[in-house]
Order: sequence, then C-alpha cells, then structure tokens
Amino acid sequence: GIQVEQSPPDLILQEGANSTLRCNFSDSVNNLQWFHQNPWGQLINLFYIPSGTKQNGRLSATTVATERYSLLYISSSQTTDSGVYFCASTSGGYNKLIFGAGTRLAVHP
Amino acid sequence: DTEVTQTPKHLVMGMTNKKSLKCEQHMGHRAMYWYKQKAKKPPELMFVYSYEKLSINESVPSRFSPECPNSSLLNLHLHALQPEDSALYLCASSQVSAQPQHFGDGTRLSIL
Repeated sequence: GIQVEQSPPDLILQEGANSTLRCNFSDSVNNLQWFHQNPWGQLINLFYIPSGTKQNGRLSATTVATERYSLLYISSSQTTDSGVYFCASTSGGYNKLIFGAGTRLAVHP
Repeated sequence: DTEVTQTPKHLVMGMTNKKSLKCEQHMGHRAMYWYKQKAKKPPELMFVYSYEKLSINESVPSRFSPECPNSSLLNLHLHALQPEDSALYLCASSQVSAQPQHFGDGTRLSIL
C-alpha cells in the first residue's frame, strides 16, 4: 500500500504566525483529505482536495497529484488551531483511507 | 463532523463485559467504516461496509464484531476485550464510489 509522510512532525508557533505543512505520497493517490484533530479527539474535515487549490478562511491547501504531494497553509494562526493535522488518501480502487503520522501543532498566545 | 453521530462518547468496561458502540448517519451514504486510534497515532482502518455488506476486514480479532443493520446504522459489538484495546473508536461514512469520508466524534473506550 501507499506510504504517507508528513512534515514537520511537530511545530510550535506564536499566535499570528504563518505555517506550511507538507504531505508526501509514495504512489499515485486519489481522494486526498486534510483533517484537524482537536485536543478533544474530534477529527474535523478541512479539505477534500484530490488536486488543485482550495481556500477556506485562513486555511488553504494545494495538491500536486503528478508530483505526489499536498500542502496545507495556515495563516495568522490562532490558539484554537492547536492540535494534530493529518493528511490521508485512498489509493487505487479501494476505500481504505491511509493516514500520515500527523503534524502536532501548538500555537502559543 | 456532527453529521455522523456516535454513542456513547465514553465507555469503561471490564474484560468480561459485552458492550456495543453505535454509529448513525443520515447523509444517504452507503459506505460506513470503523477506525481505531491509539494515543499519539493516526487512525487505522478496522472494517468497511458497502451497501450493508462487509467488504473489508483488516484482520481484526474476533472479539470485535461489526454489524450494519441498515444503510444508516453501524454497530461494533465488543466482547472479552483486552486492556490494549483501550483507544478512540471512530466511525465514518462516505459515498461508495467517491470520497470524502465524514467522521463522527468517536467513542473513547477504556478496558479495565
């Protein structure tokens, strides 16, 4: 199956800073998703982005499927952005969602 | 993703107990999933149901028994669990031939 690598594994920011999280895939992917898991364990859909660029408020994401990577941009970070960010995707014709190990983000006031 | 509802939110049980986790969605999705997430790890797939039939079992021990009574409901029956089964159990749903998957808030399970 595909391998999903996320970087950086940990990130500490001051409130108001910008950041870029990266997700690399070992094989072609489809159905790529970005999630935010908050400290209470809720896994929140941020983007469904098999290719191209999307924006939602302070967050945006870009997937370059031909080069097997995706980026998540967080601008003007807030303390509520803290938590773990996961990228995940299926591969081939299967519904199995493979997750990366996550980026653990802490935003300090 | 509050469109997928999981109950209970927390469950503490002994190793000899029998309990069930429940998941419900009303988005018309015909694929439903159970994931297990240990602390500081990503979610890992356990089971997939498509059109109420089990399509993927990721070699899960038989002490976990899934059931899909109808297109909106997914259960996970638990029996004779071990302490290492303590985890967050997440349910998700999607269209069968398309994503994205939508997740519930999870059931945090503790085995004494």
